[in-house]
Amino acid sequence: AQSVTQLDSHVSVSEGTPVLLRCNYSSSYSPSLFWYVQHPNKGLQLLLKYTSAATLVKGINGFEAEFKKSETSFHLTKPSAHMSDAAEYFCVVILNTGGFKTIFGAGTRLFVKA
Amino acid sequence: EAQVTQNPRYLITVTGKKLTVTCSQNMNHEYMSWYRQDPGLGLRQIYYSMNVEVTDKGDVPEGYKVSRKEKRNFPLILESPSPNQTSLYFCASSERQNYGYTFGSGTRLTVV
Repeated sequence: AQSVTQLDSHVSVSEGTPVLLRCNYSSSYSPSLFWYVQHPNKGLQLLLKYTSAATLVKGINGFEAEFKKSETSFHLTKPSAHMSDAAEYFCVVILNTGGFKTIFGAGTRLFVKA
Repeated sequence: EAQVTQNPRYLITVTGKKLTVTCSQNMNHEYMSWYRQDPGLGLRQIYYSMNVEVTDKGDVPEGYKVSRKEKRNFPLILESPSPNQTSLYFCASSERQNYGYTFGSGTRLTVV
């Protein structure tokens, strides 16, 4: 069965320190992988995507993620957190099976302390 | 401005009263999809469409219907809403399967 697991429901960092949000996936098919961010009472915004090109993907606002097939992981990182990064982050898999079935992780809430 | 527009933003209704949430995109995207968001569960796909007259079930289609008669519109229909359909709903569209979505602003539905 296909699934997406975000390993932490909450992550708390201090401003200026690194951010690591972890995501593991399980898929029988070659997936497309995404990270989205949702600020409070807002819609979702695409941060970055992996679609079988470079395994290290750079996104907006200084975020990047590395696809590791051997570990079935797609962790999101940022070298230095900013207060404006406080939000909920979703790891997403689209199964390339000819359809458009999409699986979201349960989300990781990022808190940034001053 | 390229966008996905959902209406209404907020809706309170009673059990059993049919309702439709509209979704429209102005980007000529082929792919459209509906999701519901519930605390602790992330977003779950209800239905998706890969083109006009082509729709398929996501993970939680029970109690919902969709149609795709035109490329730009993808309404979500609840024929007989129940309280367990109280949720935050998002419509999204994409140019290609692996391009990433553009999301609407959401519709908060309460069924009493």
